[in-house]
Amino acid sequence: EAQVTQNPRYLITVTGKKLTVTCSQNMNHEYMSWYRQDPGLGLRQIYYSMNVEVTDKGDVPEGYKVSRKEKRNFPLILESPSPNQTSLYFCASRGLRRDEQFFGPGTRLTVL
Amino acid sequence: AQSVTQLGSHVSVSEGALVLLRCNYSSSVPPYLFWYVQYPNQGLQLLLKYTTGATLVKGINGFEAEFKKSETSFHLTKPSAHMSDAAEYFCAVKGYSTLTFGKGTMLLVSP
Repeated sequence: EAQVTQNPRYLITVTGKKLTVTCSQNMNHEYMSWYRQDPGLGLRQIYYSMNVEVTDKGDVPEGYKVSRKEKRNFPLILESPSPNQTSLYFCASRGLRRDEQFFGPGTRLTVL
Repeated sequence: AQSVTQLGSHVSVSEGALVLLRCNYSSSVPPYLFWYVQYPNQGLQLLLKYTTGATLVKGINGFEAEFKKSETSFHLTKPSAHMSDAAEYFCAVKGYSTLTFGKGTMLLVSP
């Protein structure tokens, strides 16, 4: 089954404790992206990647890092999480010549 | 650069009534436009999209949207609301590579 998977689905952590949210897709998509969703703000793009070793900032990259060492994986790293990073995070992917993005199920992160 | 404005953070309709969710966009390139739906505690699912060609596009679950370039609009409609349509709806515009979302409209359906 074609899908985007994220882990963990739920995470509660404390300020300053480094964490990684994994994202993996099995559709051989070149393009991958991370979004955060906050009430009243919709989805805002954090980082995106056009292909392996190619990443770029989205609209709200501060406090986040990403890497793209393999085509299928695009982890989101929070080196020193803060409470304002409490949010619902979505990973998405699409083929470079395609329009539709496929979304993962989301990761709900709480930073205390 | 591109942006999306969804008018109304909440829209309430009765079951069987017309659904109209408004979306206006701006884009520096010919836009590709999308509507996504998010059911409670779930991810986003594509409802429909406009890329080129016919300006009236039909999607899943009886929804459709019309691209109006002169009005820079892409409003979502459904002739008759069903209780199962209660969800949050997001309009999005694609520029060269990135997808920009509106803030979302919560559709509430009452019996």
